[in-house]
Amino acid sequence: AQTVTQSQPEMSVQEAETVTLSCTYDTSESDYYLFWYKQPPSRQMILVIRQEAYKQQNATENRFSVNFQKAAKSFSLKISDSQLGDAAMYFCAYRSSMKTSYDKVIFGPGTSLSVIP
Amino acid sequence: NAGVMQNPRHLVRRRGQEARLRCSPMKGHSHVYWYRQLPEEGLKFMVYLQKENIIDESGMPKERFSAEFPKEGPSILRIQQVVRGDSAAYFCASSPPGSGANVLTFGAGSRLTVL
Repeated sequence: AQTVTQSQPEMSVQEAETVTLSCTYDTSESDYYLFWYKQPPSRQMILVIRQEAYKQQNATENRFSVNFQKAAKSFSLKISDSQLGDAAMYFCAYRSSMKTSYDKVIFGPGTSLSVIP
Repeated sequence: NAGVMQNPRHLVRRRGQEARLRCSPMKGHSHVYWYRQLPEEGLKFMVYLQKENIIDESGMPKERFSAEFPKEGPSILRIQQVVRGDSAAYFCASSPPGSGANVLTFGAGSRLTVL
């Protein structure tokens, strides 16, 4: 079974600085999708960024970028120029591309990010 | 576009009562997913439904929990005879046809507290 691990329960960053959140996963599949979701205090789950495993190029969305290391099964999120509104729980997530389980998204335990003014 | 609407946002029940949580998917979305978030944990998949069909309920507890997505109206997650361990946030997500769980839009969640 696939698992997602986030080894940093809490992180903090100074406003305008850069922070990297770590994520590792375990799978025997070669094709899958990886996600980072943000959950602010409002508790709404918001998709931050998505990466297809067959793409070697790292996904970017404005100030958010990932470092996808397929061989190492690592998928870290880098937030540049951190803003106060980035303070939230961040969840790394995995989705299989296999038809028997493509409907499940497996979430990691989350990293709580604080942004210091 | 109102997004995924969940209600109630907060629900308090005593042990043994029933809890009903509702989810209206985004307009144009025909797939609904329910996830549970226990305190200090990530979301755990419970069930995936399409209109009038349960596609995958492998994450649902075998007893007391049921889900439906009728032809008309919202999807309902029903928990019978609630216990304290059912206290959690329950999130609904929806996706358009053909996208699977690749394009999930989440609701704001329903927080269930069992006294």
